[in-house]
Amino acid sequence: GIQVEQSPPDLILQEGANSTLRCNFSDSVNNLQWFHQNPWGQLINLFYIPSGTKQNGRLSATTVATERYSLLYISSSQTTDSGVYFCAVEPRDSNYQLIWGAGTKLIIKP
Amino acid sequence: DTAVSQTPKYLVTQMGNDKSIKCEQNLGHDTMYWYKQDSKKFLKIMFSYNNKELIINETVPNRFSPKSPDKAHLNLHINSLELGDSAVYFCASSPGGNTIYFGEGSWLTVV
Repeated sequence: GIQVEQSPPDLILQEGANSTLRCNFSDSVNNLQWFHQNPWGQLINLFYIPSGTKQNGRLSATTVATERYSLLYISSSQTTDSGVYFCAVEPRDSNYQLIWGAGTKLIIKP
Repeated sequence: DTAVSQTPKYLVTQMGNDKSIKCEQNLGHDTMYWYKQDSKKFLKIMFSYNNKELIINETVPNRFSPKSPDKAHLNLHINSLELGDSAVYFCASSPGGNTIYFGEGSWLTVV
């Protein structure tokens, strides 16, 4: 089955720093999504991005489907950005099933 | 209004008990899911329903039984709870092939 790898597994930054999170996947996908799980456990979808680039405030994401990777950019980090960032992909032959990466744990220090 | 709501949020119960977690979505989505997140934060799909019909049934013990009375509800019933069932269970919904919306999670602790 398809493999989804996220890097780095852990990231500690000072407030105000920028960061790039990466998601590699091993096969063609119908779509890719980025999620943020905050320290209280809530899962929030950030981007639905099967290809191209999208921006939402300080966050942006780029997926290069032909090269099988996606990047999540966080600029001017704030402490509220802390949590785990998950990448999830829907394989081509799936039935809306998402395959999840292991996540990147981000800690933003004040 | 909460888009995907699940209850209870916290549940502590003894081994061997039977419990249910309820989920409702008011987004008009056709597809609903149950995910399990273990202590290592891995998210695994358990079930998916589309218009009240089961479309994904991953390898989970048959002690877990989903029930969808209508397309806005997908409840999870668990029989004979075991210690290893302790986890966070997320309900989610999507309009099909599109972004997925999660509930706040239900923290289940089996003692």
